[in-house]
Amino acid sequence: DVKVTQSSRYLVKRTGEKVFLECVQDMDHENMFWYRQDPGLGLRLIYFSYDVKMKEKGDIPEGYSVSREKKERFSLILESASTNQTSMYLCASTLSQASNQPQHFGDGTRLSIL
Amino acid sequence: QKEVEQNSGPLSVPEGAIASLNCTYSDRGSQSFFWYRQYSGKSPELIMSIYSNGDKEDGRFTAQLNKASQYVSLLIRDSQPSDSATYLCAVRSNAGNMLTFGGGTRLMVKP
Repeated sequence: DVKVTQSSRYLVKRTGEKVFLECVQDMDHENMFWYRQDPGLGLRLIYFSYDVKMKEKGDIPEGYSVSREKKERFSLILESASTNQTSMYLCASTLSQASNQPQHFGDGTRLSIL
Repeated sequence: QKEVEQNSGPLSVPEGAIASLNCTYSDRGSQSFFWYRQYSGKSPELIMSIYSNGDKEDGRFTAQLNKASQYVSLLIRDSQPSDSATYLCAVRSNAGNMLTFGGGTRLMVKP
């Protein structure tokens, strides 16, 4: 079974803080993704990575950055947290770029910015 | 802009009935289609994938794909209260590695 682990289930931070969300997968997957999910807006892609040290912007990258120093770990960074970044953050991974590969999700991090 | 549309619901069905969930997509180049189930407060869980026109069955679940009509559906037979969740349709084209998700349909199965 694929295991995608997000470091925190719940996180509370203050406006202006630098926030790190960590995601680790244990199946040697090439591709990793960060989404946020908000009521009425669905899942929106923030960033993804198809290889170590590679990153691509998704639909809503503003205010975020990412880091992929090792294949198994993909970090999402909120450079200066703002209240509109309060959301559920979901990490996902796929084995390869083959189109038939589904994405497997972690349990999510519910982030509150005060 | 690639779009995936779902009726947000809630879709309410009695226990034991067939639940029919529908999804349309705009990108004719789409090749892979996935259905995810998401319980409240939890992350999406893959339940079905389909790549060719026609039906694909897995237990109580049947996915149906019609590429000409740009339509994919999920049927749940003998619906159970434990099937109550939000069902997300996701679509990927060969042009990229990203999934485009619909907004989800909330299903309520009443005992």
